[in-house]
Amino acid sequence: DTEVTQTPKHLVMGMTNKKSLKCEQHMGHRAMYWYKQKAKKPPELMFVYSYEKLSINESVPSRFSPECPNSSLLNLHLHALQPEDSALYLCASSQESPGEQYFGPGTRLTVT
Amino acid sequence: DAKTTQPPSMDCAEGRAANLPCNHSTVSGNEYVYWYRQIHSQGPQYIIHGLKNNETNEMASLIITEDRKSSTLILPHATLRDTAVYYCIVLAPNSGNTPLVFGKGTRLSVIA
Repeated sequence: DTEVTQTPKHLVMGMTNKKSLKCEQHMGHRAMYWYKQKAKKPPELMFVYSYEKLSINESVPSRFSPECPNSSLLNLHLHALQPEDSALYLCASSQESPGEQYFGPGTRLTVT
Repeated sequence: DAKTTQPPSMDCAEGRAANLPCNHSTVSGNEYVYWYRQIHSQGPQYIIHGLKNNETNEMASLIITEDRKSSTLILPHATLRDTAVYYCIVLAPNSGNTPLVFGKGTRLSVIA
């Protein structure tokens, strides 16, 4: 199984809502990532988890809160987002070769 | 910052070989060259990677110059489904789950 799944596929939320994005992989990978991608731009790294511990936070605002409950799951909790946070949020995982990352299909988030 | 330079766009006739160049003149001795692609509205997909020898897999071939300052990704028989943005990335594997830094990539359009 070389699949990374993400739910939901689409999400529309208001600026006062609290929502969560979920990511799951069953490849035994020990590193998981969140990326943000704006329209017509390349993906940008947000967070890296390694062995279930947060190892990299690319100065992401606190309204984005990652969580790694176990080695297969990665969540991104959203609270008080702004319209400019509307984007495609991508999850990825990797094992021995950090450059060989497997990406999920993404969650397209719209903040109204 | 991305350490690679790619042309912003290229066209290729269906059935012909697509040759996508990448310049990475500042590559370090321990850095590999990775190629990913992103089909519209999907997550990025790993294609191939190499250090200094040419590499081939079921998707593509990677030709790296002897001085390692540039490389070419070859899709031998391009199809319409190969239309995507192709990203060339250099990084050192086994360096603590190093995140990918995406440049602007090359938008390849395969034309019938």
